[in-house]
Amino acid sequence: DAGITQSPRHKVTETGTPVTLRCHQTENHRYMYWYRQDPGHGLRLIHYSYGVKDTDKGEVSDGYSVSRSKTEDFLLTLESATSSQTSVYFCAISDSGSNTEAFFGQGTRLTVV
Amino acid sequence: SQQGEEDPQALSIQEGENATMNCSYKTSINNLQWYRQNSGRGLVHLILIRSNEREKHSGRLRVTLDTSKKSSSLLITASRAADTASYFCATGSGGYQKVTFGTGTKLQVIP
Repeated sequence: DAGITQSPRHKVTETGTPVTLRCHQTENHRYMYWYRQDPGHGLRLIHYSYGVKDTDKGEVSDGYSVSRSKTEDFLLTLESATSSQTSVYFCAISDSGSNTEAFFGQGTRLTVV
Repeated sequence: SQQGEEDPQALSIQEGENATMNCSYKTSINNLQWYRQNSGRGLVHLILIRSNEREKHSGRLRVTLDTSKKSSSLLITASRAADTASYFCATGSGGYQKVTFGTGTKLQVIP
């Protein structure tokens, strides 16, 4: 199994609080992605990174920010959590973007109350 | 809006039958991938087909790609109960850095 871990695995937080999710990899892959998965929407890309300090927006980036200060870690921050951000969040890594397979973490289930 | 859309949204078949699911996408691609997701877990890569390929096989999986119609299909032959999962197509865009997924097909194989 690819070395990719997400933390925490489950989190309940209150509306208006900041939340940070962490994705850690041991594969030295260049590309890292954050997705959210909601019923009826499949996986939607939030942000992605193509190198240290190099990030870009995905389809649903409003209300989210990311940081990648080193190759192995990609952080997703919900600046002020809202109930609409209740979702399952997946991190993925890839050696060569869409040219190679992506490996996924186990997911983080976030509930905003 | 999402790049890919799978159809049907849900499919229920008997064990031993073939299952076909389709993916349509919107923009030019370099390649297309199919993934599988067992309930509540991360996605697992199944197969990648490049834009200059029309068909690709891997075990019981057969993938076709029609770039003129911007569509792909995944065929699972001789299905098993263990094939029960959701299946997603994924395409690359933005210089092949950005990987976006479709909405998925939920397959149920009845023993």
